[in-house]
Amino acid sequence: EPEVTQTPSHQVTQMGQEVILRCVPISNHLYFYWYRQILGQKVEFLVSFYNNEISEKSEIFDDQFSVERPDGSNFTLKIRSTKLEDSAMYFCASSEVGSGLSEQYFGPGTRLTVT
Amino acid sequence: KNQVEQSPQSLIILEGKNCTLQCNYTVSPFSNLRWYKQDTGRGPVSLTIMTFSENTKSNGRYTATLDADTKQSSLHITASQLSDSASYICVASNQAGTALIFGKGTTLSVSS
Repeated sequence: EPEVTQTPSHQVTQMGQEVILRCVPISNHLYFYWYRQILGQKVEFLVSFYNNEISEKSEIFDDQFSVERPDGSNFTLKIRSTKLEDSAMYFCASSEVGSGLSEQYFGPGTRLTVT
Repeated sequence: KNQVEQSPQSLIILEGKNCTLQCNYTVSPFSNLRWYKQDTGRGPVSLTIMTFSENTKSNGRYTATLDADTKQSSLHITASQLSDSASYICVASNQAGTALIFGKGTTLSVSS
């Protein structure tokens, strides 16, 4: 069964460093998403991406965040200058279509620890 | 403000028993209501998706209900198994449908 994959599974970085989290969505999906989950808290929407453009973003997704689809398979989330409060689990998701009823399939997540 | 609230926060039941988890949402304009299962350290996995016109939807031993008038949903788990131990998350979607609004989840522990 096709699945969303994410690398690395765990990333440790120092405050102020740049990190890139990588995702490989399901191959025939056209819509991509990033979510984050701070330990013990709810999952929060960051951004959705379609046709090489951001289609929707939350207040959390400020100028230090960016997303990119550098090739036909990868979808990345870059955090330019990490802060301690960026420590969280980051989930990538993808869906075939972007309608309200589209099933979003989540990857296993990347645990980001900022020290 | 769009919000999803769940109760109880946690629940412990014996294997084989049934349980019901509750969700209240304030999302406008409302599109659909989803229930996800999240194992520790893993990504959420979809159980059900319901539009405002649907009252109930089943997926094996999971049955979700939706009352769009009172903005309430429930997830009923029948004949629980040890593998049901996980966090169950209620998620609402607005009319655009791309941004999902998550509840904090109910942590279910099934013991033998």
